[in-house]
Amino acid sequence: KQEVTQIPAALSVPEGENLVLNCSFTDSAIYNLQWFRQDPGKGLTSLLLIQSSQREQTSGRLNASLDKSSGRSTLYIAASQPGDSATYLCAVDNQAGTALIFGKGTTLSVSS
Amino acid sequence: DARVTQTPRHKVTEMGQEVTMRCQPILGHNTVFWYRQTMMQGLELLAYFRNRAPLDDSGMPKDRFSAEMPDATLATLKIQPSEPRDSAVYFCASGEQGFEKLFFGSGTQLSVL
Repeated sequence: KQEVTQIPAALSVPEGENLVLNCSFTDSAIYNLQWFRQDPGKGLTSLLLIQSSQREQTSGRLNASLDKSSGRSTLYIAASQPGDSATYLCAVDNQAGTALIFGKGTTLSVSS
Repeated sequence: DARVTQTPRHKVTEMGQEVTMRCQPILGHNTVFWYRQTMMQGLELLAYFRNRAPLDDSGMPKDRFSAEMPDATLATLKIQPSEPRDSAVYFCASGEQGFEKLFFGSGTQLSVL
């Protein structure tokens, strides 16, 4: 059974700092890995998707990497801003179009 | 701006009452998921549908929960009878077959007293 773990559960940083969020999964036979953002009281918004054949994806100040063999992914946020404060969730699926299995998320707080 | 619409946004009910949550997926999306989010368990899959047919509902307590798609524009999740342990945020998400991205609704915050 696939399990997804995210460490740390919470992180506080001052504005401008670069940071890394970690995600690990137990079954390396994944199809996609996605990073989502969730603001308080809101739904999830997809940030980046990495297909199993890819190593990384970038969008603006965000960079996600994937190492399938070790069962790990990282989300790098450059020059953090207070508006980045949210919970970031990692999710994997084992087959196209099947359900995503989510980690419990890392809650990020960026202070100005 | 296409989005997944969930109603109601908030629901407070008493133990034993029936609860119905509704979801309108994005037009053209043929895969619909129901997830439940709690602080302890995080996001758990309850059920999902493709082309209105249930593909997996193994995460759902069958004795009290039921999920249906009466048509392509409506998915429902019912709890009967509700219990305090059902208190959570219930999310609906939709995507296209072979999709890459999932689109989530804003959720239904359910409180069972």
